[in-house]
Amino acid sequence: NAGVTQTPKFQVLKTGQSMTLQCAQDMNHEYMSWYRQDPGMGLRLIHYSVGAGITDQGEVPNGYNVSRSTTEDFPLRLLSAAPSQTSVYFCASSYGGQGSEQFFGPGTRLTVL
Amino acid sequence: RKEVEQDPGPFNVPEGATVAFNCTYSNSASQSFFWYRQDCRKEPKLLMSVYSSGNEDGRFTAQLNRASQYISLLIRDSKLSDSATYLCVVTGSGNTPLVFGKGTRLSVIA
Repeated sequence: NAGVTQTPKFQVLKTGQSMTLQCAQDMNHEYMSWYRQDPGMGLRLIHYSVGAGITDQGEVPNGYNVSRSTTEDFPLRLLSAAPSQTSVYFCASSYGGQGSEQFFGPGTRLTVL
Repeated sequence: RKEVEQDPGPFNVPEGATVAFNCTYSNSASQSFFWYRQDCRKEPKLLMSVYSSGNEDGRFTAQLNRASQYISLLIRDSKLSDSATYLCVVTGSGNTPLVFGKGTRLSVIA
């Protein structure tokens, strides 16, 4: 099993550009989530999904969209990138929701100029 | 009061030392508690869950004190490979179903 995969590993955007961060898992996990990690801030939840077709907002959802058309994939879209979105983005999945072990992808390092 | 608070460290300890980290949480309704480990520029990985009765995994011991709302992690006989950031994680509520502490950095020195 590949576990949780994320692409790209690194990305540089200009302010105002849009892009999609890809996340896929092959563990048949229903629960998936997106976090951002900034220095001195810890991981903060952006959006999460408890199953295909169901998504919900986390702590910091503004500027981001998600969709969950399949169990395996959970892409994160940046609508109009801003320098404040410079961060490391982690996708995670788990079998039983937030009370279970979260399996994280390797992360995407995003810089917005 | 922040939802999950940890001493950021760094804790610099010699090999073989015993080191303890504490973490306090604010949501008395939290049900699940974890310690994750994060190596530099890597993703977090589960180190251990924390159970009410306390639990041990090799050199690692986790304790939960619900009355005082803190959890602890004890590492005995520290190894160089234990150098990492340790994240305290607690289930929350609403739009923060899982709350991560900012982490405590440990450096084990030869």
